Amino acid sequence: GENVEQHPSTLSVQEGDSAVIKCTYSDSASNYFPWYKQELGKRPQLIIDIRSNVGEKKDQRIAVTLNKTAKHFSLHITETQPEDSAVYFCAASMRLQGGSEKLVFGKGTKLTVNP
Amino acid sequence: DSGVTQTPKHLITATGQRVTLRCSPRSGDLSVYWYQQSLDQGLQFLIQYYNGEERAKGNILERFSAQQFPDLHSELNLSSLELGDSALYFCASSFTFGQVFFGEGSWLTVV
Repeated sequence: GENVEQHPSTLSVQEGDSAVIKCTYSDSASNYFPWYKQELGKRPQLIIDIRSNVGEKKDQRIAVTLNKTAKHFSLHITETQPEDSAVYFCAASMRLQGGSEKLVFGKGTKLTVNP
Repeated sequence: DSGVTQTPKHLITATGQRVTLRCSPRSGDLSVYWYQQSLDQGLQFLIQYYNGEERAKGNILERFSAQQFPDLHSELNLSSLELGDSALYFCASSFTFGQVFFGEGSWLTVV
């Protein structure tokens, strides 16, 4: 079945601390895992993604790790800043009949970075 | 700017009415996706089109329908609107599959 579990649903950190958001997926065929940041009333923005042939990817203060065996992946934000405050969504690809794919999203994590 | 264009940005309509939301994908993208996001809710997948053909259906109500035209733009039609249909509707696009980019969304308020 299609399911992406995301934890925690809310996360509050102090500025400068690290934040970690975790997701698990159920489809063992999933091979693409993006993360989106959504500010209030705005569109989800792709911030980082990882494919199944890679275990870790880093872009400045954000990094994503993937454990295919355990079927979980995580977003790590270091040196958090108030502008990192937003809702973060993880997603996993799901293969459909006919060769197409769709993204299945987690329910989101509301991150608040306190100055 | 993601390159995905959605119109209208805001729409207020009465219950029972019908509206059409329009989406132009990024140049070169063949896939179009529609998502619904209610207040404090996640992204609910509605439907996907690829190069004019329906590829996948999610939690799309029978009162809703969509299509993708030869020029690859897409329309989402919402009919017999109910108060609970009030939401932010996103269109997203990708080349085939891979990085998916979202438009700014269409805010629908049903009164």
